[in-house]
Amino acid sequence: QQKVQQSPESLIVPEGGMASLNCTSSDRNVDYFWWYRQHSGKSPKMLMSIFSNGEKEEGRFTVHLNKASLHTSLHIRDSQPSDSALYLCAASPNTGNYKYVFGAGTRLKVIA
Amino acid sequence: DPKIIQKPKYLVAVTGSEKILICEQYLGHNAMYWYRQSAKKPLEFMFSYSYQKLMDNQTASSRFQPQSSKKNHLDLQITALKPDDSATYFCASSPRLGGRGAETLYFGSGTRLTVL
Repeated sequence: QQKVQQSPESLIVPEGGMASLNCTSSDRNVDYFWWYRQHSGKSPKMLMSIFSNGEKEEGRFTVHLNKASLHTSLHIRDSQPSDSALYLCAASPNTGNYKYVFGAGTRLKVIA
Repeated sequence: DPKIIQKPKYLVAVTGSEKILICEQYLGHNAMYWYRQSAKKPLEFMFSYSYQKLMDNQTASSRFQPQSSKKNHLDLQITALKPDDSATYFCASSPRLGGRGAETLYFGSGTRLTVL
């Protein structure tokens, strides 16, 4: 069964610092990756998606994807206390029923 | 203004009882899903529907039955409730089930179920 592994489990960064989160899929059929952010008591909301090798930047957020290793990373620069949340990585294959599988998440805390 | 409405927001049930979780989406999407999240397990896929047809079922138990009476509705009936069923149940939708130009999932606010 496909698994999505995220690391680290938790991360504390100072306000203004850089947070780096990692995600790897064990399914060679995976073609699509997303990063979701879930604030405490709320539902997950899509932050960024990446489907091609390389890098994608949106504001303070940058994602990288290496399809050969099925590894994606999310980097948050100039971290803010409002970035404190559970960050979930999701992966989906390009075949079958396109099931979205989520990792266990990285819990980020940004301290002022 | 929430586009995926889940009812109720909180639900307390006794062991052995039956409950129905309601989900309606107003995004015009054709694919709908149920996911479950608890402190013990990460966000876990349960069911996917496309055009009101069940596409994938990853729940081991027949106690969980999705019901789609309309294209934008996907309810979840849970029978013979157990304390282990305590979790937040999220309904989600996407424009289509998947494919090239893969589809982003949009989540409802969830129903937090506690089974005593």
